[in-house]
Amino acid sequence: GAVVSQHPSRVICKSGTSVKIECRSLDFQATTMFWYRQFPKQSLMLMATSNEGSKATYEQGVEKDKFLINHASLTLSTLTVTSAHPEDSSFYICSAQYRNEKLFFGSGTQLSVL
Amino acid sequence: DAKTTQPPSMDCAEGRAANLPCNHSTISGNEYVYWYRQIHSQGPQYIIHGLKNNETNEMASLIITEDRKSSTLILPHATLRDTAVYYCIVRVAGGNAGNMLTFGGGTRLMVKP
Repeated sequence: GAVVSQHPSRVICKSGTSVKIECRSLDFQATTMFWYRQFPKQSLMLMATSNEGSKATYEQGVEKDKFLINHASLTLSTLTVTSAHPEDSSFYICSAQYRNEKLFFGSGTQLSVL
Repeated sequence: DAKTTQPPSMDCAEGRAANLPCNHSTISGNEYVYWYRQIHSQGPQYIIHGLKNNETNEMASLIITEDRKSSTLILPHATLRDTAVYYCIVRVAGGNAGNMLTFGGGTRLMVKP
């Protein structure tokens, strides 16, 4: 199946710093990618839809200035958590659309803010 | 997208078939049934999807009732590595708005030796 690569898999940072997470579709082009957040023992929550060449669409309650999304090419979307705080600690997952049928997911990034 | 209802947890003996049910009584005619699973600390993995016919692939079989209000995912010979949370999702294929997946609580399948 199609592969979505997400990097880094784990990051620990100090409060107040910014963290960038990359999501790449390795063997297909994805005009649309999605970013999710997941807290322990909870389901995935959609944060935003990333569209290549245009601004991301954020779900209600998600701060766009806090979670910056850039989708500069058909194979790369990035999520930057700006001025991270301990409450931003979570498991972040991206997904990319494949042939208008399936969504393939990255392996996730565990963010821990100290 | 239609809402789905799944049991929160299930157990299955290793080597036996695991049958995971899903209710989607408000499904629309153009909505597909998708199944994903998530192993601890990993991203969700696509398993199978279907519209109204039963489907089978190397991972599982999907049985959809004739009225399409419910479906069952079958893992024919469950192994310990199949222990995961299984999500049943219905969505319209194609189009930007239809590509969003709304995840419910899923079923936590525990395969036991």
